[in-house]
Amino acid sequence: DGGITQSPKYLFRKEGQNVTLSCEQNLNHDAMYWYRQDPGQGLRLIYYSQIVNDFQKGDIAEGYSVSREKKESFPLTVTSAQKNPTAFYLCASSGYTGFNQPQHFGDGTRLSIL
Amino acid sequence: KQEVTQIPAALSVPEGENLVLNCSFTDSAIYNLQWFRQDPGKGLTSLLLIQSSQREQTSGRLNASLDKSSGRSTLYIAASQPGDSATYLCAGGADSWGKLQFGAGTQVVVTP
Repeated sequence: DGGITQSPKYLFRKEGQNVTLSCEQNLNHDAMYWYRQDPGQGLRLIYYSQIVNDFQKGDIAEGYSVSREKKESFPLTVTSAQKNPTAFYLCASSGYTGFNQPQHFGDGTRLSIL
Repeated sequence: KQEVTQIPAALSVPEGENLVLNCSFTDSAIYNLQWFRQDPGKGLTSLLLIQSSQREQTSGRLNASLDKSSGRSTLYIAASQPGDSATYLCAGGADSWGKLQFGAGTQVVVTP
């Protein structure tokens, strides 16, 4: 089955720690995205990537970093500089043209502070 | 910057009634408008995508319209069922990079 796999499902971060959220897709999609969702709010874009080895900041990139070394993988690191990391993180992908193809989402990672 | 609003934040309807969900956006230069469904604790499922050159899209019991001049999109769900209970989000495609601006969603409960 083609889809997007996010892991882990739940993650806990200690003070001063960096944590990495995994996102893998087997849809052969070029574009990948990371969003953050807070309770009662819509999704906000953290980073996005159209091709391998290239990525752009979204609306709330501070305190986060990404890499895109392979087409199918787009990991997100939540650094210690992100002071309010507790949220639901969603990864998405879409086909080549990006803007006129629907985005497909994983099932998310819920990050909490210990 | 595109801003997307969904009102109301929540609604409850009896089974069998038609659902009408509203989405408004501020920038009429929109590339597309997408509707998604989100079940509790899950990711989003794409329902319909309307390109900027289109006025509506249909899939089964779902129909979505787009009126760029008034900055509105409406999602209609015919003959609602309890399984339609979920949060529905709309998102405006603002540019060619595929970036989306999301509304906060409308939480729908369909009562048997």
